[in-house]
Amino acid sequence: SSELTQPPSVSVSPGQTAWITCSGDGFTRKNAYWYQQKSGRVPVLVIYEDGKRPSGIPERFSGSRSGTMATLTISGAQAEDEADYFCYSTDSSGHYGAFGSGTKVTVL
Amino acid sequence: QVQLVESGGGVVQSGRSLRLSCVASGFTFSSYAMHWVRQAPGKGLEWVALIWYDGSKADYADSVKGRFTISRDNSKNTLDLQMNSVRGDDTAFYYCARGGSGGWYVDFWGQGTLVTVSS
Repeated sequence: SSELTQPPSVSVSPGQTAWITCSGDGFTRKNAYWYQQKSGRVPVLVIYEDGKRPSGIPERFSGSRSGTMATLTISGAQAEDEADYFCYSTDSSGHYGAFGSGTKVTVL
Repeated sequence: QVQLVESGGGVVQSGRSLRLSCVASGFTFSSYAMHWVRQAPGKGLEWVALIWYDGSKADYADSVKGRFTISRDNSKNTLDLQMNSVRGDDTAFYYCARGGSGGWYVDFWGQGTLVTVSS
């Protein structure tokens, strides 16, 4: 089982804001990273080092981290944002990588 | 552009061995840490292993420690994963992935290769 906990699903109306949370002790040791995985595709990094966006990622994606919680925010969600989102950091020992359990975002 | 191409997947009997390979191009391979990440069909992502840019250090998930070995050949731009004593819960897509700044996380993924463990 994952040491980083995410809600299984989040629904958002087009143009509204979606918040995806990820909780775990690992965030007290290392930064948070977020990946988007669309159906049948490989994951894509959308946020690194808590709140930085890689080149090509829309500004509507933002991230933050506080204590044992990290949050991915999609401001003005679009239909193309429907995907699974996974957080990443370290496990409770701080020695190993760990992915969150994943959140399915539905835009409807 | 960055390319990571995995090979070696297939059907393997429980308890046997399999070796996955990944060929990298489009970046200076020897300057980057590399990861293997897996995903069982229809399930979430699981970090498997990490090797530092020069091969000096490797870390493994508890689920594979002692059974899997990650290695690299910087002269050939290749990354390998030797999988021994495979078991049913090793069935997954295995992704070769490049480490981001500092090496700790993944910033680019290959297309993956499917490993199916049969009983």
